[in-house]
Amino acid sequence: SQKIEQNSEALNIQEGKTATLTCNYTNYSPAYLQWYRQDPGRGPVFLLLIRENEKEKRKERLKVTFDTTLKQSLFHITASQPADSATYLCALPYAGNNRKLIWGLGTSLAVNP
Amino acid sequence: EPEVTQTPSHQVTQMGQEVILRCVPISNHLYFYWYRQILGQKVEFLVSFYNNEISEKSEIFDDQFSVERPDGSNFTLKIRSTKLEDSAMYFCASSVTGLNEKLFFGSGTQLSVL
Repeated sequence: SQKIEQNSEALNIQEGKTATLTCNYTNYSPAYLQWYRQDPGRGPVFLLLIRENEKEKRKERLKVTFDTTLKQSLFHITASQPADSATYLCALPYAGNNRKLIWGLGTSLAVNP
Repeated sequence: EPEVTQTPSHQVTQMGQEVILRCVPISNHLYFYWYRQILGQKVEFLVSFYNNEISEKSEIFDDQFSVERPDGSNFTLKIRSTKLEDSAMYFCASSVTGLNEKLFFGSGTQLSVL
């Protein structure tokens, strides 16, 4: 069955540095991958979607890469700010079904001033 | 920006009781979803809904669960006879077409079954 792994250890970085989060998946080839931000007690908020034929996607200070050979996506936040502190979730469609998403456990990011 | 709204934000119920969780999806969206997240665990898909019927459901979504769009704006999740293990945050989400695109989530209903 499909599995998604995100680095489970919390990531602590200094303000201004680049945060890099990892999402690895196994056992299938998703058509796309999404990244969401989740604050405590809130619903996930969509950040970026990258398709299997795209190597990289950017949005302001965010960058996502998608390596279908390694079965891995990297999520970067450049010039990080304390307001970026949150849990970041990776989500992919179930194999053969693009409307159902399966989710990683998320990586907690803390940006220290 | 338009939002998905959910009510109530917290619901406490006794085991065996029925609960209804309510959602108002974004008005021009066609696909609606329920997901849940048990504390400290992954977000899990429950059900998707399109054109007034269920389009997909997960193994979690058994006969105790049902969804309904009773009018043009509300989308509800009913749990017929709650169990302790139903305690979780329940998120409603919506999307325009449901294909390869982002989901808009509500803030969730925290359900506690005692």
